[in-house]
Amino acid sequence: DAKTTQPPSMDCAEGRAANLPCNHSTISGNEYVYWYRQIHSQGPQYIIHGLKNNETNEMASLIITEDRKSSTLILPHATLRDTAVYYCIVGSSGSARQLTFGSGTQLTVLP
Amino acid sequence: DAGVTQSPTHLIKTRGQQVTLRCSPKSGHDTVSWYQQALGQGPQFIFQYYEEEERQRGNFPDRFSGHQFPNYSSELNVNALLLGDSALYLCASSLVLVFGSTNEQFFGPGTRLTVL
Repeated sequence: DAKTTQPPSMDCAEGRAANLPCNHSTISGNEYVYWYRQIHSQGPQYIIHGLKNNETNEMASLIITEDRKSSTLILPHATLRDTAVYYCIVGSSGSARQLTFGSGTQLTVLP
Repeated sequence: DAGVTQSPTHLIKTRGQQVTLRCSPKSGHDTVSWYQQALGQGPQFIFQYYEEEERQRGNFPDRFSGHQFPNYSSELNVNALLLGDSALYLCASSLVLVFGSTNEQFFGPGTRLTVL
């Protein structure tokens, strides 16, 4: 699976959009981009995934660049409960049987 | 609809002992994966079970073994515990959609293992 690079930490003001970047320059054609988050002392939580098109669900939006070498997770109106470590993961064949977690981005939403 | 459940919540063992952790998958899921998360790090994949067989394995020694039961629940066993085995052990469940492909994984709250 392709390796991902994320900034170690980011801050965001409550109510503003949080934009979390991820680089995955070695991604291959059949690999999806997955985002999970882990709130302190809890198990990771699935957020969203995509292949090449932008995706949106009730939690977030995922923007994937045309060359698929990077992506951005957008939380449109961040709340204090969104404070967590966010992991960008690349997995093959439309699935992620073996999730390879990196260090992730610690997002802190400030009041 | 119950999510993924794990037991026990916390566990303290001493070096050399053996431990068994348990996981019940989300209703309707048939695949269970186990992860180890050391303090301050991301989870590391241990292995995955489907149809009561180990299907994939990460870079963990044979001291780590598992089992999946007919009701899809699973156990993780660790023998000859080392201090370095102290970690949060996470169970994740998913559903096989087609062979080799699953949907997203749903994680349990984890079991905190401390080895003294």
